[in-house]
Amino acid sequence: DAGITQSPRHKVTETGTPVTLRCHQTENHRYMYWYRQDPGHGLRLIHYSYGVKDTDKGEVSDGYSVSRSKTEDFLLTLESATSSQTSVYFCATTRDRGQGTQYFGPGTRLTVL
Amino acid sequence: EDKVVQSPLSLVVHEGDTVTLNCSYEVTNFRSLLWYKQEKKAPTFLFMLTSSGIEKKSGRLSSILDKKELFSILNITATQTGDSAVYLCAVEVGGGADGLTFGKGTHLIIQP
Repeated sequence: DAGITQSPRHKVTETGTPVTLRCHQTENHRYMYWYRQDPGHGLRLIHYSYGVKDTDKGEVSDGYSVSRSKTEDFLLTLESATSSQTSVYFCATTRDRGQGTQYFGPGTRLTVL
Repeated sequence: EDKVVQSPLSLVVHEGDTVTLNCSYEVTNFRSLLWYKQEKKAPTFLFMLTSSGIEKKSGRLSSILDKKELFSILNITATQTGDSAVYLCAVEVGGGADGLTFGKGTHLIIQP
């Protein structure tokens, strides 16, 4: 495993509240990713980062924003949580594109009531 | 739009059986295909395939890629109950896009 931690591991919140999930890695990997996993959809890319302050949108980015102020931390923010954002969120990292292999964090289970 | 399709979506077999999981893809600018195993937690990496026709093997698991027909298979021989998991196939593309495109997974259950 690539030394990836996510916090919190579980969170229950209410519709309309802001939520921030944190991904922390100790491998000095350049690339970091946020995915969400839902039954019937598999893993889908939300946002990714290719360096400090360099981020871009993935397939399902609406309603989410990200920030990366340090190599080791990648934050995912739900500005105003909705029930459709109830999901399991995984962070992943890789050293370089073309390496293919992405290492995943343990996941955060988010429930929006 | 890039697409990865896995089949079957679920499979129940008995311990000792051999299983074959399928993954087909339609993507632009293919770079690599990856297999992951997920057991109620984070996906763990199994194989990465980039070249057609070259088998990757790890113990009882093996995988091969066919870039002409755009598919890959994952074989598990002499299955054990510990092989029960969701097996995910993902494709990495090059040329500016990033991240992995995943299939929905195959839920494999090994009965004792």
